[in-house]
Amino acid sequence: DVKVTQSSRYLVKRTGEKVFLECVQDMDHENMFWYRQDPGLGLRLIYFSYDVKMKEKGDIPEGYSVSREKKERFSLILESASTNQTSMYLCASSFLGSGEDTIYFGEGSWLTVV
Amino acid sequence: AQSVTQPDIHITVSEGASLELRCNYSYGATPYLFWYVQSPGQGLQLLLKYFSGDTLVQGIKGFEAEFKRSQSSFNLRKPSVHWSDAAEYFCAVSPGNQFYFGTGTSLTVIP
Repeated sequence: DVKVTQSSRYLVKRTGEKVFLECVQDMDHENMFWYRQDPGLGLRLIYFSYDVKMKEKGDIPEGYSVSREKKERFSLILESASTNQTSMYLCASSFLGSGEDTIYFGEGSWLTVV
Repeated sequence: AQSVTQPDIHITVSEGASLELRCNYSYGATPYLFWYVQSPGQGLQLLLKYFSGDTLVQGIKGFEAEFKRSQSSFNLRKPSVHWSDAAEYFCAVSPGNQFYFGTGTSLTVIP
């Protein structure tokens, strides 16, 4: 089975702190994604990456950055956390460009910024 | 631009009743289509997917979905709902490397 692992399930951070959310996948997928999920808004794409050291902005990249130094690992960084970044963050991965791709999700990371 | 619409924000059904969750998409060609389920506090689990061929797709947990090109729809169905089906359901489309999700339908199952 595909495994997407998010290392932190629940975090509480203070306003202004730098926050790292880590994600690892074990299926050698090229694509990796970070989504944010909020009630009534569904899943919104923050950033995605289709290769090591490559990244593309999604729909809501402001206030976030990402890092992909290894193929299996994709990190989301909140440079200076704010209360409006309190949310559920979902990491996902998929193969690249085969046409019949499926996206697989991690369990999610609940972040509360106080 | 691609978009996915799930017109029902919340649905309540009785246990044992049938279920249909609606999904409409906007895309120039036929995209790849998916349904995911999310239990409280968890990630999204794939229920089923449609890439081509038979327009009626079977998935896990007794779910099925039917692709109707003329209606740009991919509705999810289950003949008899179980209490454990209570969850959030997301429809998604993919024209290729990107995935677009609906805003979800929350399902409540009453005894």
